[in-house]
Amino acid sequence: IAGITQAPTSQILAAGRRMTLRCTQDMRHNAMYWYRQDLGLGLRLIHYSNTAGTTGKGEVPDGYSVSRANTDDFPLTLASAVPSQTSVYFCASSDEAPDTQYFGPGTRLTVL
Amino acid sequence: GENVEQHPSTLSVQEGDSAVIKCTYSDSASNYFPWYKQELGKRPQLIIDIRSNVGEKKDQRIAVTLNKTAKHFSLHITETQPEDSAVYFCAARLTGGGNKLTFGTGTQLKVEL
Repeated sequence: IAGITQAPTSQILAAGRRMTLRCTQDMRHNAMYWYRQDLGLGLRLIHYSNTAGTTGKGEVPDGYSVSRANTDDFPLTLASAVPSQTSVYFCASSDEAPDTQYFGPGTRLTVL
Repeated sequence: GENVEQHPSTLSVQEGDSAVIKCTYSDSASNYFPWYKQELGKRPQLIIDIRSNVGEKKDQRIAVTLNKTAKHFSLHITETQPEDSAVYFCAARLTGGGNKLTFGTGTQLKVEL
């Protein structure tokens, strides 16, 4: 059982380019989340999905979009990357009970 | 929305001493308070959590206390060891807000030999 995986591990991207970060979980969790982690700011929620077919905006959604076509996958897309989107991105998932959020290994993204 | 403040941002203790990290939250409707540990270059991992109907919870060397009246909760680590060195994050979840967490900004704990 892999748990929750993310790809790529790291990426350097030119500003203005489109990028999709991938997240897959095999725990059959209903809920999934995307966070960004920046030094001194902790973890901030970008988007979330309580169940397949639904998504919602978190604290910092601007410039990002998500989709949840099935239970396992929750990709995060940057339509036109900007340098301020340089960050470490973590995907997480949780079930209803217990409701612990489990995090993926993260993707380090640098936008130049 | 919820706002979580965490202090201190850095904490250095001698091995064997205790460490305390404190968090305050803004919304009295919050009902779930997890603590995550993140080692350098790794993912955050849950170490302990507490719900609003409990005042204290303990798991070996770590404990969490919750004061709902004052809207603050604390992580206590006793008999600290070098492997406790990491960044610790507190978080809070609003009742009726699904399972969305609001995180504090983290505490870098260093346990010195």
